[in-house]
Amino acid sequence: DIQMTQSPSSLSASVGDRVTITCRASQSISSFLNWYQHKPGKAPKLLIYAASSLQSAVPSRFSGSGSGTDFTLTISSLQPEDFATYFCQQSYTIPRTFGQGTKVEI
Amino acid sequence: EVQLLESGGELVKPGGSLRLSCAASGFSFSNYAMSWVRQAPGKGLEWVSGIRGSGDSTYYVDSVKGRFTVSRDNSNNTLFLQMNSLRVEDTAVYYCTRDFYKGHSYGYEQYWGQGTLVTVSS
Repeated sequence: DIQMTQSPSSLSASVGDRVTITCRASQSISSFLNWYQHKPGKAPKLLIYAASSLQSAVPSRFSGSGSGTDFTLTISSLQPEDFATYFCQQSYTIPRTFGQGTKVEI
Repeated sequence: EVQLLESGGELVKPGGSLRLSCAASGFSFSNYAMSWVRQAPGKGLEWVSGIRGSGDSTYYVDSVKGRFTVSRDNSNNTLFLQMNSLRVEDTAVYYCTRDFYKGHSYGYEQYWGQGTLVTVSS
């Protein structure tokens, strides 16, 4: 199975900060990398698919980049509603695998 | 509006069985692949199983192969997960997800349900 490693595991940031989360795959996954936001007690939400495509209705402050093994999720200006845990996921092979998550805290 | 509503989660003893259901609405069910994703307490997300829109192909993570069976009833817009020989480590919130197309390769979990809690404990 492909292993996905996110960094950092957690970070503290303030409203208005630029936040960057990285995700590394154990082998090349082309651009089959997705990002999700998860808040406690809520359903996870798709943010970015295919490495850099913004899901409909997701604010443009979220962006994704990368290909091969190294990927990045960027929040250009952190908003109060963005405090959550973020997961990357590869869909290049089955089973789809997730990173361990990055918790973004105040 | 796409809606996914899971049910069937409960407390079960190790070695027991459980069947989860996911009622789908707001889209043409047979045109989309579906999956189950779980989150154990204090842990991250784990993709568990997937099924193509037609139901002709199914996929599993190694840890559940031979114990879990995914199926769907396209006439009644419902996804199922039959879980047998349950283990303590299967304890998790189980989410039903919809893919972006009818296949399963190279897809993503475009929509998620609210989840149902399965607790395996003696």
